[in-house]
Amino acid sequence: DQQVKQNSPSLSVQEGRISILNCDYTNSMFDYFLWYKKYPAEGPTFLISISSIKDKNEDGRFTVFLNKSAKHLSLHIVPSQPGDSAVYFCAASPPLTQNSGYALNFGKGTSLLVTP
Amino acid sequence: KAGVTQTPRYLIKTRGQQVTLSCSPISGHRSVSWYQQTPGQGLQFLFEYFSETQRNKGNFPGRFSGRQFSNSRSEMNVSTLELGDSALYLCASSPQGWGSGKNIQYFGAGTRLSVL
Repeated sequence: DQQVKQNSPSLSVQEGRISILNCDYTNSMFDYFLWYKKYPAEGPTFLISISSIKDKNEDGRFTVFLNKSAKHLSLHIVPSQPGDSAVYFCAASPPLTQNSGYALNFGKGTSLLVTP
Repeated sequence: KAGVTQTPRYLIKTRGQQVTLSCSPISGHRSVSWYQQTPGQGLQFLFEYFSETQRNKGNFPGRFSGRQFSNSRSEMNVSTLELGDSALYLCASSPQGWGSGKNIQYFGAGTRLSVL
């Protein structure tokens, strides 16, 4: 079953405006959340992450917000630029232990188009 | 520092054949994970290796297997290929780490497998 959901397959935003990409998760054990950006014919590129002990993390034009009670996170891009046009994946991970190993749970992605 | 390298980039096989994909992680990274990306299912976790041991495994049939060598390079193998195995196979590497939430994975460009 899909534990991480991105309910908007696509989003179109004008250059200079804010882009808001949303993500919901169902597993309350997840404690680390990441956003990746993917261009065609390339692998996903890490963008920004947030730990469950925080509710906000900023990195330049990118801010991720986490609402644990709602099991919801969002990525804000301000201002949006044409080069931001890509597919954005939300991912979540349970606590990492020495024996558990890495296993990211991904949403199906949101295709963002930023128009000039 | 060189990124994650996957070879080959493209591969065409026929049903019933087997295939081996290769991944060289970022220097110093000891964890290697594999994911399958298809249009309908998004990115799905296959397995993760650390110090030549499989630590975690996703929900895929036994036809999918992998291994990791002492230099952290990894291979995945798919036997008795089916049409539904056509996908982009992504490898990701991570530095050793647990408990800190620093479970960021860095992806290669992927191998595009087409099964005819």
